[in-house]
Amino acid sequence: DAGVTQSPTHLIKTRGQQVTLRCSPKSGHDTVSWYQQALGQGPQFIFQYYEEEERQRGNFPDRFSGHQFPNYSSELNVNALLLGDSALYLCASSLRALNEKLFFGSGTQLSVL
Amino acid sequence: AQTVTQSQPEMSVQEAETVTLSCTYDTSESDYYLFWYKQPPSRQMILVIRQEAYKQQNATENRFSVNFQKAAKSFSLKISDSQLGDAAMYFCAYSFPQGGSEKLVFGKGTKLTVNP
Repeated sequence: DAGVTQSPTHLIKTRGQQVTLRCSPKSGHDTVSWYQQALGQGPQFIFQYYEEEERQRGNFPDRFSGHQFPNYSSELNVNALLLGDSALYLCASSLRALNEKLFFGSGTQLSVL
Repeated sequence: AQTVTQSQPEMSVQEAETVTLSCTYDTSESDYYLFWYKQPPSRQMILVIRQEAYKQQNATENRFSVNFQKAAKSFSLKISDSQLGDAAMYFCAYSFPQGGSEKLVFGKGTKLTVNP
């Protein structure tokens, strides 16, 4: 079992650009959540996807959007990048019906220059 | 809004000794979950222990145990017989499941150093 996989592991962008981060959930999981972890901080909840719909959203602007595909994988898109978007982006998956614990990936480190 | 506070930015412990990491939280809910996660340099968040608020018994997982004081809204983690591999960032987290989903609110973390 590969667990939660995220790609790419590292990414460098410039201000104003757009970025797409990808996540494949652990086998058997149907729910994907995204978190942003700024340097020296704990992760902050961005949003959660289940059945290809956004189910919950944290306090993030509309520049942050996402998608879930029929195979349960997910993308996080960030438009009009700001320097403050530089962070580690973590994906977590779970099986909603059983309210199981979250499994996290190793994240994508995004640097905005 | 729910908040989680970890007042110890850094802690250190000698190998084989015991260390306690502190966490307090604020919520108006009566039923919720509390967690301790470990984040090693690999960056992956690893669940250490989970406590359900309605359970009075403190959770334990091998060398890891918690002291859950619901009235005081305190949730500390005790690591016994510390090992070099325990060195990592430790995050306390709160969850109030809504409709089956689980949104976590994290503290800022405590960096644990284990000295040989």
